Amino acid sequence: EAQVTQNPRYLITVTGKKLTVTCSQNMNHEYMSWYRQDPGLGLRQIYYSMNVEVTDKGDVPEGYKVSRKEKRNFPLILESPSPNQTSLYFCASSLKGDSPTNEKLFFGSGTQLSVL
Amino acid sequence: QQQVKQSPQSLIVQKGGIPIINCAYENTAFDYFPWYQQFPGKGPALLIAIRPDVSEKKEGRFTISFNKSAKQFSLHIMDSQPGDSATYFCAAEDSGYALNFGKGTSLLVTP
Repeated sequence: EAQVTQNPRYLITVTGKKLTVTCSQNMNHEYMSWYRQDPGLGLRQIYYSMNVEVTDKGDVPEGYKVSRKEKRNFPLILESPSPNQTSLYFCASSLKGDSPTNEKLFFGSGTQLSVL
Repeated sequence: QQQVKQSPQSLIVQKGGIPIINCAYENTAFDYFPWYQQFPGKGPALLIAIRPDVSEKKEGRFTISFNKSAKQFSLHIMDSQPGDSATYFCAAEDSGYALNFGKGTSLLVTP
């Protein structure tokens, strides 16, 4: 089944404790992206990747890191989480890395993160 | 800065009604306008999309109307059903490959 898989589904942590949210897709997509969803703010892009070893900042990259060492994986790293990073996070992918325009995004099921 | 403005924030209609969700944008470089549907506990999923070279697109009970001169587009759901209750996001894509989402509309269709 074609899908984007995120783990964990729920995560509660404390301020300053490094964490990683994993994302994997099995559709051979070149483009991958991370979004955070907050009430009243919609979906905001954190980082995206056009292909392996190519990553770029989205609208709200502060406090986050990503890496794209393999085509299928795009982990989101919070080196020192803070309470304002409490949010619902979504990973997404699409087919064309050189032109994600015109290609639909496939979203994972989300990771609900709480930073205490 | 929100590049796509979506309204209303929430909407309640009776079964069979036609909810309409509106979006507006300023960036004339946008050339792809999708709508995503999100059910509770799930990620958004593409519902329907339009390009600025057409004024309307229908897929089943869902219709996008697009007004290029006004820089507005809207989603109409014909014969709405309780199963259509979800959050709907409009979006617009620019030449930088970034998909800009609206803030979302929570739709409730009552029986």
